[in-house]
Amino acid sequence: AQSVTQLDSQVPVFEEAPVELRCNYSSSVSVYLFWYVQYPNQGLQLLLKYLSGSTLVKGINGFEAEFNKSQTSFHLRKPSVHISDTAEYFCAVFGGGSNYKLTFGKGTLLTVNP
Amino acid sequence: NAGVMQNPRHLVRRRGQEARLRCSPMKGHSHVYWYRQLPEEGLKFMVYLQKENIIDESGMPKERFSAEFPKEGPSILRIQQVVRGDSAAYFCASSPPIGAGHWGYTFGSGTRLTVV
Repeated sequence: AQSVTQLDSQVPVFEEAPVELRCNYSSSVSVYLFWYVQYPNQGLQLLLKYLSGSTLVKGINGFEAEFNKSQTSFHLRKPSVHISDTAEYFCAVFGGGSNYKLTFGKGTLLTVNP
Repeated sequence: NAGVMQNPRHLVRRRGQEARLRCSPMKGHSHVYWYRQLPEEGLKFMVYLQKENIIDESGMPKERFSAEFPKEGPSILRIQQVVRGDSAAYFCASSPPIGAGHWGYTFGSGTRLTVV
C-alpha cells in the first residue's frame, strides 16, 4: 500500500520569506505526484504535478517542486511567499498499482505572517 | 465549462437522519470519485463510480453509506442514520475515461456535513 508523509503539520513564515513544504512517499513502482492547495472552506486546487520527465516541476502561483526518486521525496518550494498563500497544502500520490486512487498526506498548514 | 459541482455546500443533519450529497461531474467526464476529509486529516478515498456502475467501493464504510451514479443526473452519496462521527467534508472529483491519457482529476468544492 502506498503512503504519503508530510513531515510538518504547520509551517509559519513571514511574508516574502522562502518556504519549503516537505513530502515523502512510499512506493516501489512508478507514481504520479501532486500538490494541492485548499483555502479555508474551499475545495482542492491543483498546484502542480509530476508525471515524468524533468524532475523540477513548476506550478501556479510561483510554486515549484522537485521529484527525487532516490529519496522518495517531492518537496514544494516558493522563493517568496505572500499573505495570500496562507492555506492548507496536500501532497498526493497516484499510481503504484492503482490508476485512479489518490493517496493523500495529512496536509501542512502554511501561515504567512506580515 | 463549469467545473465539478457539488451541493449543498453545507448540510446540517440531526443524528439518525439521512444525508444526501450530490455531485455533477465536469462536462465530458464519465468517472466520479468520492473522498472524505475528517478534521485534521487528509482526504481518504471512498468510492469510484462510472455511469450505472460501482467500480471500487473499498473505502466506503460497510454500513449506512451508499453511492450511485445513474445514467441521468448527478452522482449521489447517501448516508443513512447519520452519527456525529460522519461530520466531515465530502469531496467529489471527476475525470475522463482512464486510459484516455488522463493523469488525474478535478475536485469540487465539497459538502461540509455537520451532524448535531
